[in-house]
Amino acid sequence: DIQMTQSPSSLSASVGDRVTITCRASQSISRYLNWYQQKPGKAPKLLIYVVSSLQSGVSSRFSGSGSGTDFTLTISSLQPEDFATYYCQQSFSLPSTFGQGTRLEIK
Amino acid sequence: EVQLVESGGGLVQPGRSLRLSCAVSGFTFDDYAMHWVRQAPGKGLEWVSGISWNSGSIGYGDSVKGRFTISRDNAKNYLYLQMNSLRAEDTALYFCAKEISRAMGSAGFDSWGQGTLVTVSS
Repeated sequence: DIQMTQSPSSLSASVGDRVTITCRASQSISRYLNWYQQKPGKAPKLLIYVVSSLQSGVSSRFSGSGSGTDFTLTISSLQPEDFATYYCQQSFSLPSTFGQGTRLEIK
Repeated sequence: EVQLVESGGGLVQPGRSLRLSCAVSGFTFDDYAMHWVRQAPGKGLEWVSGISWNSGSIGYGDSVKGRFTISRDNAKNYLYLQMNSLRAEDTALYFCAKEISRAMGSAGFDSWGQGTLVTVSS
């Protein structure tokens, strides 16, 4: 199975900050990498799919990049509603696997 | 409006069975692959199983392979997860999720239900 490792596991930042979360795959997954946001008590929300395609309705503050094994999610200017947990997911091969999550907290 | 509503969760003893259902509406169900994803209390997301639009392709996570069975009824707009030989470690909130495409595993999951809680305990 492909292992997905996110870093950092947690992050403190302030409103207006630029934040980057990284995700590394244990083997090449081409561009089959997706990002989700989850708030407490809620279902995950798809932000970005296949590395850099912004899901409909998602703010352009969110962007993704990378290929092969190394990927990043960038939030250009943090807003109060962005404080949540973020997960990457590979959809290159089954079983699909998620990263362990990055908890983004208010500084 | 796309809606996915899970049901069937509850408290069950180890070794017993449970069947989860996911009722969908607001989109053409047989145009999309579907998945089950679970989240143990306080933990991260774990992909459980997926099924293509026509049930021709099915996959399972290692931890449930041989015990869980995914299926779908395109005429009734329902997704199912039959869970047998349940273990304490299966305790989680189970989400059904819609894939962006017909083909399973090609892209992200763009719609999710609110989940149904399964608790395995004696």
